[in-house]
Amino acid sequence: GENVEQHPSTLSVQGGDSAVIKCTYSDSASNYFPWYKQELGKRPQLIIDIRSNVGEKKDQRIAVTLNKTAKHFSLHITETQPEDSAVYFCAAFMNDYKLSFGAGTTVTVRA
Amino acid sequence: EAGVVQSPRYKIIEKKQPVAFWCNPISGHNTLYWYLQNLGQGPELLIRYENEEAVDDSQLPKDRFSAERLKGVDSTLKIQPAELGDSAVYLCASSLNRAWTGVSTGELFFGEGSRLTVL
Repeated sequence: GENVEQHPSTLSVQGGDSAVIKCTYSDSASNYFPWYKQELGKRPQLIIDIRSNVGEKKDQRIAVTLNKTAKHFSLHITETQPEDSAVYFCAAFMNDYKLSFGAGTTVTVRA
Repeated sequence: EAGVVQSPRYKIIEKKQPVAFWCNPISGHNTLYWYLQNLGQGPELLIRYENEEAVDDSQLPKDRFSAERLKGVDSTLKIQPAELGDSAVYLCASSLNRAWTGVSTGELFFGEGSRLTVL
């Protein structure tokens, strides 16, 4: 099955700085890579996703990049704000509809 | 539109007792998932349904866990008997998968989860 590794496990950034979270996946058949944000006690919610036919996608302050050759993808958050503090999960998805999640990154934005 | 609804939100039971969780997916979503989330970890798939058929239950501990999705809509997840190690959040999610194209939309919509504490 798919194995998704996520780094770092915790990330503390000064407000206004950028945050980068990296994930690697094992199965080259994976073709969809979403990122979920989970605030404390809340449900995971999709914040951005990318498909294997695209190398980069941006939505306001967040962006995701995908390197299919190296089998890794990254989440970039620019101009971090306090409301960005949460746990972020990457995931890799294959056509058999199985979504495998990384272990999560706890992001803390310092005021 | 209502999102994925789960109940109960919190459940505290003693070990060896049974427990059941209920999930109502987003209307029209044919795929339903049950995930287990331990503290500080990512969700781990327990079982996936396509309509009323369980198409992936390889990670479900079948000696004590069972699930059903009658009529392809609501689903229940049961644990009997519960063990201390079952304490976790049980997340239900649904998605709309267009099987006829061979392509999944991918996006999962999660419920708020059911937090189980086994004493």
